[in-house]
Amino acid sequence: DGGITQSPKYLFRKEGQNVTLSCEQNLNHDAMYWYRQDPGQGLRLIYYSQIVNDFQKGDIAEGYSVSREKKESFPLTVTSAQKNPTAFYLCASSKTGGAPNTEAFFGQGTRLTVV
Amino acid sequence: SQKIEQNSEALNIQEGKTATLTCNYTNYSPAYLQWYRQDPGRGPVFLLLIRENEKEKRKERLKVTFDTTLKQSLFHITASQPADSATYLCALDPMDSSYKLIFGSGTRLLVRP
Repeated sequence: DGGITQSPKYLFRKEGQNVTLSCEQNLNHDAMYWYRQDPGQGLRLIYYSQIVNDFQKGDIAEGYSVSREKKESFPLTVTSAQKNPTAFYLCASSKTGGAPNTEAFFGQGTRLTVV
Repeated sequence: SQKIEQNSEALNIQEGKTATLTCNYTNYSPAYLQWYRQDPGRGPVFLLLIRENEKEKRKERLKVTFDTTLKQSLFHITASQPADSATYLCALDPMDSSYKLIFGSGTRLLVRP
């Protein structure tokens, strides 16, 4: 089945620790996105990528890093510089960015908690 | 500043009634607008896309309108069912060559049996 897979579903981070969230898609989509969602809030864009080996900062990129070495994969690292990382993280992909009929497909999310 | 606004208060309606959700945007000129459904603890799921030259789009019990003069989209669910209870998000491409998708904060819909 084609889809987008995030792992792990739940992740616990200690203070000062970097953690990496995985996102893989087999939809042959060019564009991939990372969003953060806090309780009762909408989705805020962290990073996005329209093509392999290229990515751009979203609205809240500070304390996060990404890579796009393969079309299928777009991992997100939450660094120790992110002071309030506890949130629900969503990865999405679409055929291309910026064109009609390119709805986003989302993974099931990773819930990150700082302990 | 650029904003996408959805009613933060939950919409509580009786089964069988029509639910109407609003998405207003400021300082954007989107060529299209999308609506998604999100269930608790899950990722959003795409429902409908409407283009700027389309006044109305329908899919089964769903209807979306897009008024570029008012800078507003309305999302209707007719003959609502308890299974329609979820959070509904609108999203747009800011059309600034960034090719990113920006989301509103969503409106929670509760349909009472």
